[in-house]
Formats: sequence, C-alpha cells, structure tokens
Amino acid sequence: KNEVEQSPQNLTAQEGEFITINCSYSVGISALHWLQQHPGGGIVSLFMLSSGKKKHGRLIATINIQEKHSSLHITASHPRDSAVYICAVRRGSQGNLIFGKGTKLSVKP
Amino acid sequence: EAGVTQSPTHLIKTRGQQATLRCSPISGHTSVYWYQQALGLGLQFLLWYDEGEERNRGNFPPRFSGRQFPNYSSELNVNALELEDSALYLCASSLVWARGRDGYTFGSGTRLTVV
Repeated sequence: KNEVEQSPQNLTAQEGEFITINCSYSVGISALHWLQQHPGGGIVSLFMLSSGKKKHGRLIATINIQEKHSSLHITASHPRDSAVYICAVRRGSQGNLIFGKGTKLSVKP
Repeated sequence: EAGVTQSPTHLIKTRGQQATLRCSPISGHTSVYWYQQALGLGLQFLLWYDEGEERNRGNFPPRFSGRQFPNYSSELNVNALELEDSALYLCASSLVWARGRDGYTFGSGTRLTVV
C-alpha cells in the first residue's frame, strides 16, 4: 500500500465548477505539500501545511492531522487550472518528500 | 531572486555512458533534493544533500550518486546508463529542513533520454 494515496486519479470538470482532490497518508508527517505540474514537467509548490487551512486566491487546502487527510479545493475552476495536482508529505525526521501518484485535472470551457 | 536552476534542460546519452546533471539552489537554501519522474510513473525520491552531506537516499542502485559543493549547488551522476533511466530529473531546494516549516522550490528539470 502506498504511503500517500490520492483520489480521484483523473477528474474532468466544466469551467466554473467547484473541485475537490483528496489525499490520505499513513505515516507521521511534519508537513504536507500540494504541488501543481503542467505538461512539460515544471512543478510549482501551491501549499505547505502542517495544520488547519490555507487559501491562495481560488485555491484552498485543508489538513486534518488526526485523520491523516488533506483536501485541495479549487473554486470557480478555469481551463488554465488543467494540470496534474500532487500531494506530498515530509516525514518528521526527513527532508525529502513522499509523493502521491497525482490527480490529472482537465477543466473544459 | 533566481529560482532553482537545472542544467542541461535536455540530455541525450547512449546506453552505458555516464550522465551528469547540475542544480543550483535558491540563495540561502542549504538542502538540495533530487527526484526522478519516469514516463507514466510518479515522482520518486533519489537523494538528499544538506550542508555538503548525503542525508538520505531513495531506493535506487549505487550507480546513481551525487555530491553537494560548498556553495550548495549539486551534481547528480548516473553511471552505466540503462534505457530505463530515461526520465525527467527534478531538483528541489529548501531552507532548514529540520523545522519542517520552510517551502520547497523545484527546478524545471532535466529530461534525460537514453538511447
């Protein structure tokens, strides 16, 4: 079983829809990251969370440490949001990330 | 401020050769991480360097190695290249890892093709 599980694997939405991507992990962590990867490979760090909730523009990320679960929400989705969204965790004593397999999001106009 | 820079952008090598990939972290970041993303697969952790020392290593054979220089830049060396080594290699840097509160910044990657 993977230490970081994401769902769904693929997601197609209409422009304007509210989107939720889920991430569950099975190890103790010091932080959880949400990353965005566009075609071509470049990765952008969207959020780093250790508790609670963060918001950047139309993106919201939440984490429940007790339940070992995090969600990434996109409000009023737009075709430019189309990308692969990756959940990754840092274990308490390690600096490297452990990644989920990613969620491929396609937003149709 | 310059981001994490990786070179070269693309690299084509023949099976059995050696490849050297380079990474310059964000100024002030002491930790450098190397990750591999093979086609159709997720990101896999390769190596982590901090303050010139190898801190952790992923599940890769010894022909994957690297080092970190006094200016915190890093090299990833892949010896005896195999076709399966064809992948996007991403470098990331961060500040003090132990606090777990610093951000991660990724480079744009080096796409290695082994023919």
